[in-house]
Amino acid sequence: GNSVTQMEGPVTLSEEAFLTINCTYTATGYPSLFWYVQYPGEGLQLLLKATKADDKGSNKGFEATYRKETTSFHLEKGSVQVSDSAVYFCALSDQETSGSRLTFGEGTQLTVNP
Amino acid sequence: KAGVTQTPRYLIKTRGQQVTLSCSPISGHRSVSWYQQTPGQGLQFLFEYFSETQRNKGNFPGRFSGRQFSNSRSEMNVSTLELGDSALYLCASSVQGPSNYGYTFGSGTRLTVV
Repeated sequence: GNSVTQMEGPVTLSEEAFLTINCTYTATGYPSLFWYVQYPGEGLQLLLKATKADDKGSNKGFEATYRKETTSFHLEKGSVQVSDSAVYFCALSDQETSGSRLTFGEGTQLTVNP
Repeated sequence: KAGVTQTPRYLIKTRGQQVTLSCSPISGHRSVSWYQQTPGQGLQFLFEYFSETQRNKGNFPGRFSGRQFSNSRSEMNVSTLELGDSALYLCASSVQGPSNYGYTFGSGTRLTVV
């Protein structure tokens, strides 16, 4: 079946540091890939997405490239801010094999210190 | 425009009781999905409704059920509550499904079973 694996957290960085959160996936079809962010006490917000190989999703300074050859969708940001502190979830949707459901990774807690 | 609205935000129930959670999707969204989030199991898919029909179902016991009304509003019901049902229940809506548009999530209903 489909699965998503994220790098273990928590991740603690200083403000303006470079961020990478690794995400790899297993899927039998051609999935769409997503990054969601969850702030304390809130639901999930879609951060960015990519629907086919080599697509790059970007939003608010975050980027991720859909790499089919390495089955990866790593999240990056060049300079993090304290306000980026949250939990980040990588997810996939494979319409052919699992319909409309999203399969999520475990989540990575990011803390950015001033 | 208004986002996904879930009510109530917090709920405390006793073991053996039943509970109904409500979700109002974004106007024009016909797909509504439900997810359970717990520290131990992460985010797990419950079911998805599209145009009043259940289109997809996760691996949860029959105590978990849902429905969707003609205005796309959705409810989920959990009968014979168990302590392990304590979780954040998230509703998400989309125009058709997550593959091209992603899902917009509500803030969730925090259910505590005592």
